[in-house]
Amino acid sequence: QVQLVESGGGVVQPGGSLRLSCAASGFAFTSHTVHWVRQAPGKGLEWVAVVSYDGSNKHYTDSVRGRFTISRDNSQSTLYLQMNGLRPEDTALYYCARDYVPTGSYYFDYWGRGTLVTVSS
Amino acid sequence: QSALTQPASVSGSPGESISISCTGTGSDIGGYNYVSWYQQHPGKAPKLIIYDVSNRPSGVSTRFSGSKSGNTASLIISGLQAEDEADYYCSSYRITSPVFGGGTRLTVL
Repeated sequence: QVQLVESGGGVVQPGGSLRLSCAASGFAFTSHTVHWVRQAPGKGLEWVAVVSYDGSNKHYTDSVRGRFTISRDNSQSTLYLQMNGLRPEDTALYYCARDYVPTGSYYFDYWGRGTLVTVSS
Repeated sequence: QSALTQPASVSGSPGESISISCTGTGSDIGGYNYVSWYQQHPGKAPKLIIYDVSNRPSGVSTRFSGSKSGNTASLIISGLQAEDEADYYCSSYRITSPVFGGGTRLTVL
């Protein structure tokens, strides 16, 4: 079955960096667009970034563009999110999510359990 | 403030039908038929229940349906059941990125 397992979250000071990972299994990772979506504690969902199946196309929400970098290693079936210049407002549970349509649709049909990022001094 | 506007809460009794609205603009809901809905139980990841305004993924109950008129989309849940108690989020495509509503807490009385 499809599984997405995030890791790499933790507590970091403002201005710091973290690298999140998402290990995928149970489907053809190399054929699927994948996303990062976050949810601040007690708040709603916010789309963060997307990378195409081959890594050639990437898009970001305005608030993280220039600070976060999405990437993927298809040989390892792993998605990454490099987060630099972290701010308190980046505090959230970060989900890895598979796109419902392999080529990209911005619908998310499988989600991981999330990894918590806390930005605090 | 979320890009799409949803009521904070709705409630209904078992067996009843309820509707959750999601209001956007001509740049998102009104401009595209790319509206989706997600159900999220406490402590769990969201689940896709509606896409392309009114389509259900395989395995989603037929009690869930969606519609759109102008800049407002709606999720209708018929025959309410206790397990429907959850948070519901709408989402719409906007150029190069999807946007979400703030979420609606459904309480089954």
